[in-house]
Amino acid sequence: RKEVEQDPGPFNVPEGATVAFNCTYSNSASQSFFWYRQDCRKEPKLLMSVYSSGNEDGRFTAQLNRASQYISLLIRDSKLSDSATYLCVVNPPDDYKLSFGAGTTVTVRA
Amino acid sequence: NAGVTQTPKFQVLKTGQSMTLQCAQDMNHEYMSWYRQDPGMGLRLIHYSVGAGITDQGEVPNGYNVSRSTTEDFPLRLLSAAPSQTSVYFCASSPTVDSSSGNTIYFGEGSWLTVV
Repeated sequence: RKEVEQDPGPFNVPEGATVAFNCTYSNSASQSFFWYRQDCRKEPKLLMSVYSSGNEDGRFTAQLNRASQYISLLIRDSKLSDSATYLCVVNPPDDYKLSFGAGTTVTVRA
Repeated sequence: NAGVTQTPKFQVLKTGQSMTLQCAQDMNHEYMSWYRQDPGMGLRLIHYSVGAGITDQGEVPNGYNVSRSTTEDFPLRLLSAAPSQTSVYFCASSPTVDSSSGNTIYFGEGSWLTVV
């Protein structure tokens, strides 16, 4: 079983729509969680960290569910510029080697 | 602030050739790493370093060597290129090796390598 699994999508949504997707992780003792954004043929860049209480950054909301071992990302009022691949990243305990999901592709259409 | 700089951006190699992907960071980060990214598989760790003079293997180290003689530089060497090494390679760095603080990783722009 992969350490981090994501629905690859693609999620095709119209501008202004809300889109949400999850990422599951296998190690229940994992400590840190992140969402990275990767544009086509570009390097991944940190979108947001995911905190236990859930957190928002503008139109983006991240949630952590430790009991079910998944994190989620919700994008409200989608913009064309939100089209990208979103990578789920998990930091296992006592280990600085991050585990990356394969990514969820989101395409926002006009 | 240049961040993480890796070169070359594109390279075509013949099977059996060797080459070095260069990576440098100017942020005085302790932790540096190399990943490869293949379709549908996400980023996989090749080698990493927690400081100058210290390197270790990641998930897919075979066919690659690294060294860390300075804090700034972390080159990746392909010893004898194979078509299976066709991939996109990313160098990355983090300020600290302390996992409890949450490791924000900064990536270079990537190197597209094709082995024919």
